[in-house]
Amino acid sequence: GNSVTQMEGPVTLSEEAFLTINCTYTATGYPSLFWYVQYPGEGLQLLLKATKADDKGSNKGFEATYRKETTSFHLEKGSVQVSDSAVYFCALSRTQGGSEKLVFGKGTKLTVNP
Amino acid sequence: GAGVSQSPSNKVTEKGKDVELRCDPISGHTALYWYRQSLGQGLEFLIYFQGNSAPDKSGLPSDRFSAERTGGSVSTLTIQRTQQEDSAVYLCASSPRQGTHEQYFGPGTRLTVT
Repeated sequence: GNSVTQMEGPVTLSEEAFLTINCTYTATGYPSLFWYVQYPGEGLQLLLKATKADDKGSNKGFEATYRKETTSFHLEKGSVQVSDSAVYFCALSRTQGGSEKLVFGKGTKLTVNP
Repeated sequence: GAGVSQSPSNKVTEKGKDVELRCDPISGHTALYWYRQSLGQGLEFLIYFQGNSAPDKSGLPSDRFSAERTGGSVSTLTIQRTQQEDSAVYLCASSPRQGTHEQYFGPGTRLTVT
């Protein structure tokens, strides 16, 4: 079946540090890949996506590249800010049997200290 | 424009009671999803509606759970004879059409079963 594995947190960084959150997936075929973010007290928001191999998704300084050879979609940011503190979820989606659903990783909590 | 809305935002109920949770998707979105977010299980898919097609109910955890979508818009998730393990945040999402794989989430309903 389809599954997503992402690094367990929590992750604590100082402001302006480099961030990597690892994500790998298992899926048949060619899924679309996503990072969603959940800020404290808020709902899930789409951060970025990639729909095919070698695509790079980017938003708000975050980037992730769809690597088919390593089945990975690692999230990176060169310089984190306190406002990036949130829970980050890696997810995949495929159309199967006419149905589409997101399969999520367990989430990684990021805390950025000033 | 207006996003996905859910009501109520919080619901406390006694074990054994029935509850109804409501979702208003983004206007014009043909696909609607329900997910459950709990500490132990992370984010789990429950059910998917797409237009007039038969829904994908493969994620519903038991026959106490049901959902309907009236007129291709508003959806109601019903949990009968609630149990303490049903306590979670229930998230609704909508998507413009099949194949886009982008889902827009509502703020969720926090259900507490006492």
